[in-house]
Amino acid sequence: GENVEQHPSTLSVQEGDSAVIKCTYSDSASNYFPWYKQELGKGPQLIIDIRSNVGEKKDQRIAVTLNKTAKHFSLHITETQPEDSAVYFCAASKGVNFGNEKLTFGTGTRLTIIP
Amino acid sequence: ETGVTQTPRHLVMGMTNKKSLKCEQHLGHNAMYWYKQSAKKPLELMFVYNFKEQTENNSVPSRFSPECPNSSHLFLHLHTLQPEDSALYLCATDSGGAVNEQFFGPGTRLTVL
Repeated sequence: GENVEQHPSTLSVQEGDSAVIKCTYSDSASNYFPWYKQELGKGPQLIIDIRSNVGEKKDQRIAVTLNKTAKHFSLHITETQPEDSAVYFCAASKGVNFGNEKLTFGTGTRLTIIP
Repeated sequence: ETGVTQTPRHLVMGMTNKKSLKCEQHLGHNAMYWYKQSAKKPLELMFVYNFKEQTENNSVPSRFSPECPNSSHLFLHLHTLQPEDSALYLCATDSGGAVNEQFFGPGTRLTVL
């Protein structure tokens, strides 16, 4: 089955600086890679996703890059703000082709923005 | 507000108790999921329901029993749990077709004494 590794497990960044979280996956058939943000007392919420037919996707201060050859993908947050403090999870699935495939999650990164 | 609610938000139970967790979605989705979230571990998929039919049981012990009476409600019945079952239990939904965003509820924090 799929295995997703995520690093680092904790990350502290000065407000205004950039944060990068990296994930690797094992199944070359995986083609859908979402990122979820979990704030204290809440469930995870999708913030951005990427499919394997593109290498990069950006949404305001958040971007995700995908390297299919190396089987890794990364989340980039620029101009970080205190409200970016949360736990971030990457995930992978084969859902684009097969439909309704389960997500395999990474172990999460606790991001702390230092004011 | 994600459109997915879970009750109770916190639950403390003894090992011999029987309790149930409830999930309700107002999104018109067809697929519902139970996940277990433990510290420093990936989210663990427990059960999947598609159009009220269970399509996946991820080797979950029988002390956890899911029920999906209709497409809006999902239950997780608990009995004779162990302390290691203490975790955050998350419900999620999606439209059940090709890959779609999963919407999570806030979770139930379960403590087994």
